[in-house]
Amino acid sequence: QVQLVQSGAEVKKPGASVKVSCKASGYTFTDYYLHWMQQAPGQGLEWMGWINPKSGSPHYAQRFHGRVTLTRDTSISTAYMELSRLRSDDTAVYYCATAACGGDCPIDHWGQGTLVTVSS
Amino acid sequence: SYVLTQPPSVSVAPGQTARIACGGNNIGSKSVHWYQQKPGQAPVLVVYDDSDRPSGIPERFSGSNSENTATLTISRVEAGDEADYHCQVWDSSSDPPYVFGTGTKVTVL
Repeated sequence: QVQLVQSGAEVKKPGASVKVSCKASGYTFTDYYLHWMQQAPGQGLEWMGWINPKSGSPHYAQRFHGRVTLTRDTSISTAYMELSRLRSDDTAVYYCATAACGGDCPIDHWGQGTLVTVSS
Repeated sequence: SYVLTQPPSVSVAPGQTARIACGGNNIGSKSVHWYQQKPGQAPVLVVYDDSDRPSGIPERFSGSNSENTATLTISRVEAGDEADYHCQVWDSSSDPPYVFGTGTKVTVL
């Protein structure tokens, strides 16, 4: 079955960067897009971007453009989300999730989430 | 940007029916997906493309979509259905194009 296992919780200082990993198993890694979502404490879900694992091409939400970088390593079926110039309002749980496409497709399998805390 | 509005909370007694609305301009022309999120857990897709269920999701979960409102219906509600529910659409003219609703907390009395 599809499994996405994310890296553990992180504590970072303002201005630093964080890199979260998402290891996929149970399917062919290049067959599904990988999406990333942010969920601040007590808030709803916000889409950050996706990466096409086959081509490596990313697509970012404007709000995060310039601060987020999505990459992947097909040799180990792992995707990465790096967020730079961290601010206190970046404190959130970050999820990776699969979808069959980068357009009108449901986001169907989710990782367990990674809590990133930004604090001085 | 496209906006999806949900009621903050819905309360329902066990065995009854819960209906969760998701309002958006002409949402009936879009495909709506619904996610269940229990406390401290990742979201789970429970309904996609307005009314289809992924494998393993009980038939008690159903969806509909018309005009300006999509609805997730949970029949014969159980204690284990207590969770936050998020609707979501894809809108190519919005940024971000993946738009989530504000979320609804379902409380089982």
